[in-house]
Amino acid sequence: DTAVSQTPKYLVTQMGNDKSIKCEQNLGHDTMYWYKQDSKKFLKIMFSYNNKELIINETVPNRFSPKSPDKAHLNLHINSLELGDSAVYFCASSQTGGGADTQYFGPGTRLTVL
Amino acid sequence: GDSVTQMEGPVTLSEEAFLTINCTYTATGYPSLFWYVQYPGEGLQLLLKATKADDKGSNKGFEATYRKETTSFHLEKGSVQVSDSAVYFCALSSQAAGNKLTFGGGTRVLVKP
Repeated sequence: DTAVSQTPKYLVTQMGNDKSIKCEQNLGHDTMYWYKQDSKKFLKIMFSYNNKELIINETVPNRFSPKSPDKAHLNLHINSLELGDSAVYFCASSQTGGGADTQYFGPGTRLTVL
Repeated sequence: GDSVTQMEGPVTLSEEAFLTINCTYTATGYPSLFWYVQYPGEGLQLLLKATKADDKGSNKGFEATYRKETTSFHLEKGSVQVSDSAVYFCALSSQAAGNKLTFGGGTRVLVKP
């Protein structure tokens, strides 16, 4: 009964490839997020969706495209992967997206681009 | 823009020692403040939070008080255990910035038996 799940857990691929990471939450939350954690553990938000609508879109290359087919799912597709995309990507969800909301994080997907 | 600064680690302690991790912030308006913890190989989980000035968040023996006058939210625990070894992140969320979480750089804590 995992609250926020991500697949795959590990992803190793070559430069230039296209890959996707999937995220699902079973908490009934309205808002979902993608974060990137670099090798120094620094965390930065990439996107957020509220009820399938894009709310936050930070300065992320347009090679990254999130898709939310329904409010329980938020997938991340990355085109033309680059070495600098290597990181751990975390999905998260929160009840409403309000400032005081607790965000619940998935276990992360470690992406390695060779 | 919003920012969070926390002390760099690693912080190495012996079991039962007192832990303090300093966190200060810059934000527009009145942010909510959080401490998240990341155990090895896992995602982040909320440790505690405070949503207005002078609020104290507490959980699992950890405490932090929202100090608006010093723009700080320092994390403390009186007696750490080996199981507290993790990376601790201070974060804020402000309505002015779209309610996104802005994280500090994280502080790795290692507790030795």
